[in-house]
Amino acid sequence: EAGVAQSPRYKIIEKRQSVAFWCNPISGHATLYWYQQILGQGPKLLIQFQNNGVVDDSQLPKDRFSAERLKGVDSTLKIQPAKLEDSAVYLCASSAEGTGSYFGPGTRLTVT
Amino acid sequence: SQQGEEDPQALSIQEGENATMNCSYKTSINNLQWYRQNSGRGLVHLILIRSNEREKHSGRLRVTLDTSKKSSSLLITASRAADTASYFCATTRNAGNMLTFGGGTRLMVKP
Repeated sequence: EAGVAQSPRYKIIEKRQSVAFWCNPISGHATLYWYQQILGQGPKLLIQFQNNGVVDDSQLPKDRFSAERLKGVDSTLKIQPAKLEDSAVYLCASSAEGTGSYFGPGTRLTVT
Repeated sequence: SQQGEEDPQALSIQEGENATMNCSYKTSINNLQWYRQNSGRGLVHLILIRSNEREKHSGRLRVTLDTSKKSSSLLITASRAADTASYFCATTRNAGNMLTFGGGTRLMVKP
């Protein structure tokens, strides 16, 4: 079974630039999550999708972050414009009902 | 905000010893999960324990859950150098599986 795919794996941008991350969940997993993990901390949920609908985005900084999952499969997370404090690993995860979450390898973002 | 708090924050042991990590949380939960994260890599799901369960085993892993104390422990028996990683507990409050993570325990197993 293929795992959760994410790209790119690494990204370096300057502050005020824009960046987008892509995630392809495990086939058949209806639920998709984006987490932000700052160095030395546990992951923090940014947004949860159920199919193509948003379940929870209460911790998403909506003035600069946006995410979509148009066809209920792949998802993109965008930051526009980026700030220094956005430097982190962005993790995508998916799950099916009754299972734990399966995480992708993450995208390490460095904002300079 | 983080729901869980792991204790200790860092643990160093010799290969062959047992490692115990504890997790406390604040609100009622649907289930509690433990994850492992190797340096620079993604999170790997280890074990899930539901709120109506008290103990669960998986290989060298043993997890306990005490909902009255809002705490859980992860025991790794006969540790190996390959167990060196950060371990996170995460809770869900409903069936939607939205995880709230603690800050993690960084385990080092010396060969």
